Amino acid sequence: GDSVTQMEGPVTLSEEAFLTINCTYTATGYPSLFWYVQYPGEGLQLLLKATKADDKGSNKGFEATYRKETTSFHLEKGSVQVSDSAVYFCALSGGNTDKLIFGTGTRLQVFP
Amino acid sequence: DTEVTQTPKHLVMGMTNKKSLKCEQHMGHRAMYWYKQKAKKPPELMFVYSYEKLSINESVPSRFSPECPNSSLLNLHLHALQPEDSALYLCASSQRDTYSYEQYFGPGTRLTVT
Repeated sequence: GDSVTQMEGPVTLSEEAFLTINCTYTATGYPSLFWYVQYPGEGLQLLLKATKADDKGSNKGFEATYRKETTSFHLEKGSVQVSDSAVYFCALSGGNTDKLIFGTGTRLQVFP
Repeated sequence: DTEVTQTPKHLVMGMTNKKSLKCEQHMGHRAMYWYKQKAKKPPELMFVYSYEKLSINESVPSRFSPECPNSSLLNLHLHALQPEDSALYLCASSQRDTYSYEQYFGPGTRLTVT
């Protein structure tokens, strides 16, 4: 079945460092891909999405490119802030299912 | 406005209580969802309503009973819960329940069963 694999956390960075959180997927067909962020004590917020190969989603300085050849959707940000500390979930929908399939989540901790 | 609201924010209930969680969206979305999230885990889908009809029940125990009174409201009725049901319950909505439509989540209800 469809699945999403994320890098294990926590990812610990200093403020202004470059961020990459790896995400790869397995799916038949042409899924849509999403990144959600969950701040402590809150629900999930949609961060960005891409619906077809080579699409680049971007928001709040974060970006991710839908790479069909490597089945990847890695999240990047050029300069992280302490306020970016949260759990980031990669997810897909489509392929064999219309449900939202989540990765296990990656905790990001940014220190001043 | 991409807002989904949930009440209450916190709920503590005994195993013999009956309570309800409420969710509301005013985005004109036609699909609504209930998820359960345990600590340090991704959300797990419980129910999907599409055009006010239950379309997916992920084999959830009958002590959880969903209800969709209209296209903007979604309730989750709780009865005779177990301590292991303690979790964050998230509501979400999307324009439709097909894959290309992103889901928008509410802030959740933190449920503790004593």
